[in-house]
Parts: sequence; structure tokens; C-alpha cells
Amino acid sequence: GENVEQHPSTLSVQEGDSAVIKCTYSDSASNYFPWYKQELGKRPQLIIDIRSNVGEKKDQRIAVTLNKTAKHFSLHITETQPEDSAVYFCAASNWDNYGQNFVFGPGTRLSVLP
Amino acid sequence: EAQVTQNPRYLITVTGKKLTVTCSQNMNHEYMSWYRQDPGLGLRQIYYSMNVEVTDKGDVPEGYKVSRKEKRNFPLILESPSPNQTSLYFCASSPGLAGGTDTQYFGPGTRLTVL
Repeated sequence: GENVEQHPSTLSVQEGDSAVIKCTYSDSASNYFPWYKQELGKRPQLIIDIRSNVGEKKDQRIAVTLNKTAKHFSLHITETQPEDSAVYFCAASNWDNYGQNFVFGPGTRLSVLP
Repeated sequence: EAQVTQNPRYLITVTGKKLTVTCSQNMNHEYMSWYRQDPGLGLRQIYYSMNVEVTDKGDVPEGYKVSRKEKRNFPLILESPSPNQTSLYFCASSPGLAGGTDTQYFGPGTRLTVL
């Protein structure tokens, strides 16, 4: 089955700097790669996603890149702000006859220091 | 308001006492799923369902059951809970392939403690 690794597990950056979180996956059939942000005590919220037919996607300060050959994808946050502090999860997904199988990475705790 | 709801939000129970956590969505989504979240392990998929009466196991299905008799509801059943099922549980739904998007919407979570 699919296996998703995520690095680093913790990341501290100064406000205004960039943050990069990297994930690798094992199943070449995976075709959808979302990123979720989870604040303490809250539910995961989708922040950006990318499909396997796209190499890069950007939404304001957030971007995701995908390298299908190497089976890795990365989240880039520019001009970080204290409110970006949270746990970020990547996931890899594909559809089968019964629905959509999601495998999540273990998460990265991002701290943005003022 | 479009939403996914779960009940109860918090539950403390004892080993072996059957329980059900309900999940309901009002967005007419085809796809629903259950996850458990444990520290350092991220979210792990328990079961998922593409539509009524169509369900399949995720990565950690042992000790859990689900049913999908109606499109809007997807209850999670623990027939004989054990302490290792103490966790934070999330239900999620998405429009599915027919809806043209994979975006999942998560419920607020249910914190379960099994003594």
C-alpha cells in the first residue's frame, strides 16, 4: 500500500521568512495530493492541493510543487506570519472501486517566531 | 450552512461497551470517510465509502465497523472498544468524482477515551 513520509517533523522560522515542507510517496497510482493545516484543537483545513497532471500550483503566499518521477511534493509558504503557526499534513490519494483512499504524512509542526 | 457534524464530541467509555459515533453531512456528498488521529502518526483512514452501500477498509479498520444506508450518514461503530482505540476521530466528506472535486470537508472531531 501507499506510504507517505514527511519532513521535517518540526520547523521554526522567523516571521517573514519562507518555510518548505517536503513529502514523498510510494504508490505511483496516487494522483491527488492535498495539504492540510490543523490548528490546536481544530479540524484539518485544506489549504492547497495538486493533481498528478500538474507540476506546480500557487495561491497567494502558498505554493505546492509535484515531481511525479521522483514521487515527491513540497509545500512552500512565503512571507510567513505568526498565524501560519500550526501542524501541516500532506496526503496522497487515489481512487479505487469503493472510493478514495487517503494516506497522510505524520505532520510538520511549524512555528513562526515574531 | 454546509457542514459535517459528528456526535458525540467527547466520549469516555469502558472496555467492551459498544458505541456508535455518528457523522452526517448536508452537502449531498457522495464520498465519506473516517479517520483516527494519534500523536506523531497523523491521520489514518479507517473506512471510506463512495456511496450508499459501498464501503471499503482503509489502513486501520480492525475493531471498527461502518454502514452507509443513507447518503448523508456514515456512522462508525465500535462493537467492543479497547483502550488502544482511545483517539481523536474525524469524519470527512467530499463531492467525489461525480462532483468534480476531491476536496474533503472534515467534521469537528470526536475525542474518545476507552478505560
